[in-house]
Amino acid sequence: GQNIDQPTEMTATEGAIVQINCTYQTSGFNGLFWYQQHAGEAPTFLSYNVLDGLEEKGRFSSFLSRSKGYSYLLLKELQMKDSASYLCAVRRPSNDYKLSFGAGTTVTVRA
Amino acid sequence: GAVVSQHPSWVICKSGTSVKIECRSLDFQATTMFWYRQFPKQSLMLMATSNEGSKATYEQGVEKDKFLINHASLTLSTLTVTSAHPEDSSFYICSARPLGESYEQYFGPGTRLTVT
Repeated sequence: GQNIDQPTEMTATEGAIVQINCTYQTSGFNGLFWYQQHAGEAPTFLSYNVLDGLEEKGRFSSFLSRSKGYSYLLLKELQMKDSASYLCAVRRPSNDYKLSFGAGTTVTVRA
Repeated sequence: GAVVSQHPSWVICKSGTSVKIECRSLDFQATTMFWYRQFPKQSLMLMATSNEGSKATYEQGVEKDKFLINHASLTLSTLTVTSAHPEDSSFYICSARPLGESYEQYFGPGTRLTVT
């Protein structure tokens, strides 16, 4: 089965840093994605981790520890436009590219 | 590049009628398209996987006779919700995986279905 946990909500101040954790217990693992989704819109790709370690992309970084079943998304220098839902998704181990999503973390950035 | 469109963006229909939702990859060919459903404040739930020229594969608990999927070409997949009921009201999102792409899939903007 697939069990992917992330906090429901987080609030932070503009310019600050926020870390969104994701833990997973899945029957197999073939990579972990982070997506950003604004209300009523499609998810947009942020990052993909398949090996342990930190991947940095501008203000956003993503970390993976496969042995711990753990990932985090780090958002730096928060801007108001970063207010959105952030989805953690695990790619299933089969060769069909299916994704299992967590429930998402709603981040609210305040001035 | 890598744009996926959905049509319509929203639709209201009466209970018992059928609704067709289109998913198109505009600037690339898609080996595989995925259909998801998202209820308010919940995550995306994969409904089915659509491969061009073959039958769709459905996730456990998804009725294949209710949610008909046709993947007629490498750029178009359709989802038809048959005999819709109010509990089918949801946000339906498709994604498409480009030919040769190793892991990326691109999401459409979604279709809001309301069944009255």
